[in-house]
Amino acid sequence: QKEVEQDPGPLSVPEGAIVSLNCTYSNSAFQYFMWYRQYSRKGPELLMYTYSSGNKEDGRFTAQVDKSSKYISLFIRDSQPSDSATYLCAMIGNQFYFGTGTSLTVIP
Amino acid sequence: GAVVSQHPSWVICKSGTSVKIECRSLDFQATTMFWYRQFPKQSLMLMATSNEGSKATYEQGVEKDKFLINHASLTLSTLTVTSAHPEDSSFYICSASPPPGQGNTDTQYFGPGTRLTVL
Repeated sequence: QKEVEQDPGPLSVPEGAIVSLNCTYSNSAFQYFMWYRQYSRKGPELLMYTYSSGNKEDGRFTAQVDKSSKYISLFIRDSQPSDSATYLCAMIGNQFYFGTGTSLTVIP
Repeated sequence: GAVVSQHPSWVICKSGTSVKIECRSLDFQATTMFWYRQFPKQSLMLMATSNEGSKATYEQGVEKDKFLINHASLTLSTLTVTSAHPEDSSFYICSASPPPGQGNTDTQYFGPGTRLTVL
């Protein structure tokens, strides 16, 4: 079993939709949880960073961590075409553990 | 699934020394690998694109002579931090994508990172 599992998609939604991106993990020792957005072959841009269970909101983005279920989510409200990208989840234990990324397309 | 490993996972060195970090694709051949630098709570900064059998392509602002990249085989790329200084302390992360025919070329598989601490 991989340390981090992420549905690769692709995911297509109409503009304005709510997007839900998810990752599961197996190691209860993970302390920090991140979501990155990556366009083409550019470096992943850090969107959200959290270390506790619960929700963290930043503009249209909400990160949710459920440590008991080993499950994290990223919600995007009022999705825009500019949100079209690959979204990576990542976690830190003693090293980085990345998901494989979910490709999202927001259709105008 | 595709696996990318890095070695070492953590290295501590004295200022002025050089450190080599390895990035390996374990179950696929990677003609292209990417090297990133991760500062705490910041985005991954793309440093360079490593191409098997040719010179690496460095991003603007990254010193080629300080961060030497060698991609000698289809499964191994190395990053050497030369004359390391405390400001070089960071996580260094590599990624690789499989070539056409060996998987989804749009997917980047990330290594677990190498933590460099320069004293």
